[in-house]
Amino acid sequence: SQQGEEDPQALSIQEGENATMNCSYKTSINNLQWYRQNSGRGLVHLILIRSNEREKHSGRLRVTLDTSKKSSSLLITASRAADTASYFCARLDSNYQLIWGAGTKLIIKP
Amino acid sequence: DGGITQSPKYLFRKEGQNVTLSCEQNLNHDAMYWYRQDPGQGLRLIYYSQIVNDFQKGDIAEGYSVSREKKESFPLTVTSAQKNPTAFYLCASSTRGVFESQPQHFGDGTRLSIL
Repeated sequence: SQQGEEDPQALSIQEGENATMNCSYKTSINNLQWYRQNSGRGLVHLILIRSNEREKHSGRLRVTLDTSKKSSSLLITASRAADTASYFCARLDSNYQLIWGAGTKLIIKP
Repeated sequence: DGGITQSPKYLFRKEGQNVTLSCEQNLNHDAMYWYRQDPGQGLRLIYYSQIVNDFQKGDIAEGYSVSREKKESFPLTVTSAQKNPTAFYLCASSTRGVFESQPQHFGDGTRLSIL
């Protein structure tokens, strides 16, 4: 199955700065989900955004979806050391297949 | 607390050996999934199950087998036919049918290596 494209592959920022990760895709979607994975652990669901939604918030997280550009972004504001993790997007396409991106590795420097 | 338990955390396989990875959930979820994760890559679906006694192949089912005899349990067997089994294996579940608009809940994975 075709994986989504995430960029950047890795991102290193200072604590307190904002972090933005992007996810692009090529086919139409039903929804798009963002997950976090700490090193050596399972994934934790963060936000699900449906194809008819443009923006969702959860605490310091903001997800946007632009279906015309076939892209989504995850913004983490006021980053903390505990935000260090890999972040994955997963999109549910029109065939109801869940397709995962390769992830963005985020490092927050103290 | 409700959740998904995978065991063992680390597993080593000898040549020609079958090994079984355990996945148990107490979330009362209908759907369960097995994924394989290789370094620097996204998750790839091995098998999924929507209800007891029913399961479907995912994208990379060759060399793997599963069973779903109980709602809570979805064990994965890595057979000797899987020639490159070294990977991180993740089990997940979701409330309703497979691939509906529901988030997936994950266990903490089993890391399988070749001896």
